[in-house]
Amino acid sequence: NAGVTQTPKFQVLKTGQSMTLQCAQDMNHEYMSWYRQDPGMGLRLIHYSVGAGITDQGEVPNGYNVSRSTTEDFPLRLLSAAPSQTSVYFCASSPGQGAYNQPQHFGDGTRLSIL
Amino acid sequence: SQQGEEDPQALSIQEGENATMNCSYKTSINNLQWYRQNSGRGLVHLILIRSNEREKHSGRLRVTLDTSKKSSSLLITASRAADTASYFCATGLSSNYKLTFGKGTLLTVNP
Repeated sequence: NAGVTQTPKFQVLKTGQSMTLQCAQDMNHEYMSWYRQDPGMGLRLIHYSVGAGITDQGEVPNGYNVSRSTTEDFPLRLLSAAPSQTSVYFCASSPGQGAYNQPQHFGDGTRLSIL
Repeated sequence: SQQGEEDPQALSIQEGENATMNCSYKTSINNLQWYRQNSGRGLVHLILIRSNEREKHSGRLRVTLDTSKKSSSLLITASRAADTASYFCATGLSSNYKLTFGKGTLLTVNP
């Protein structure tokens, strides 16, 4: 059982480039979410999804797009990378349609640097 | 905005000692969760405590919740070097489906 898998683990981009961070889970979880973790800031929610075809914005959604075409996958797209998006990105999933009452399963993160 | 705030920001103890971390939050919640993060890894869920519970145990972990003071504590007894990690509280509210994380406490357990 792989759990939550994030790819790539590391990425360096130039300002203005676009890329997609991949997240896949094999636990048939309905709820999936993306966080970014910055030093001294804790984890901040970017986007989340309560099921296939349903997404919503979190606390810091600007500059990011998501889609949820399948239960398993929840990719995060950076449209035009900016240095302020340098961060560690975590994907998480849980059963049910809410994160508030379920343990979250996290991937090991994608470390992204924007030059 | 951050809901939970952990205290202290950093804690250094000797192996075998107990470690206590606190979490304060601002608004009413349905649940509170604690997570551990080892360096370079994702977060791992430790305990979920509901708003109608006052105390919960899991192995060497003891979590308390005081909704009147809007605070929670995580106690790790008989700490081991392997407990060295960052610990985060996260508050959950049924009206918005989300968890809001604090900034974490960095625990260092010295052998």
